[in-house]
Amino acid sequence: GAVVSQHPSWVICKSGTSVKIECRSLDFQATTMFWYRQFPKQSLMLMATSNEGSKATYEQGVEKDKFLINHASLTLSTLTVTSAHPEDSSFYICSASSGDNQPQHFGDGTRLSIL
Amino acid sequence: AQSVTQLGSHVSVSEGALVLLRCNYSSSVPPYLFWYVQYPNQGLQLLLKYTSAATLVKGINGFEAEFKKSETSFHLTKPSAHMSDAAEYFCAARGGGNKLTFGTGTQLKVEL
Repeated sequence: GAVVSQHPSWVICKSGTSVKIECRSLDFQATTMFWYRQFPKQSLMLMATSNEGSKATYEQGVEKDKFLINHASLTLSTLTVTSAHPEDSSFYICSASSGDNQPQHFGDGTRLSIL
Repeated sequence: AQSVTQLGSHVSVSEGALVLLRCNYSSSVPPYLFWYVQYPNQGLQLLLKYTSAATLVKGINGFEAEFKKSETSFHLTKPSAHMSDAAEYFCAARGGGNKLTFGTGTQLKVEL
């Protein structure tokens, strides 16, 4: 149980394009989803927290206009990297939780490479 | 504010040897603590969690961790390492809003 699916797993695109990453909870309702960014050989850095039907809460230093987050249903959240540039290349990971006292379950991540 | 410190960014053990990965936390209130494992190009898999019940927590794949308040530690152990245990391990503490604060991770290498 508690499966989170993240898609795509790999994406390579040209500088200036926008990229959408999907995060789905397959067998539970995710009231809260989290988006992380992980640089090579480093830990996960929380970018934003999204609650279903509400605007996402971004961590300090994360550009909300750059990283658009939508959490339109209890099973789907999307992260759109707008006008991506090479410095946006990273490993992006989502997680989902069914409640405040419930553990986060992680997707398998998306490797984003901007040329 | 919470913080999580993992001592040793790289740990190397022989197959069959004891695995010990260290984690210390800093928190003004009793924390909820977690250990996650990450294989290359994958997300994180929950190994075990401490939620203020038993101080010795057993997880998947033979791992366990002991919460020691006096030492503010939550070290991860496994009696006998297997080649398949080679991965990155993260200790994390849960704060307000169910947010997780992660340690910097420990890369476990298992040698024949």
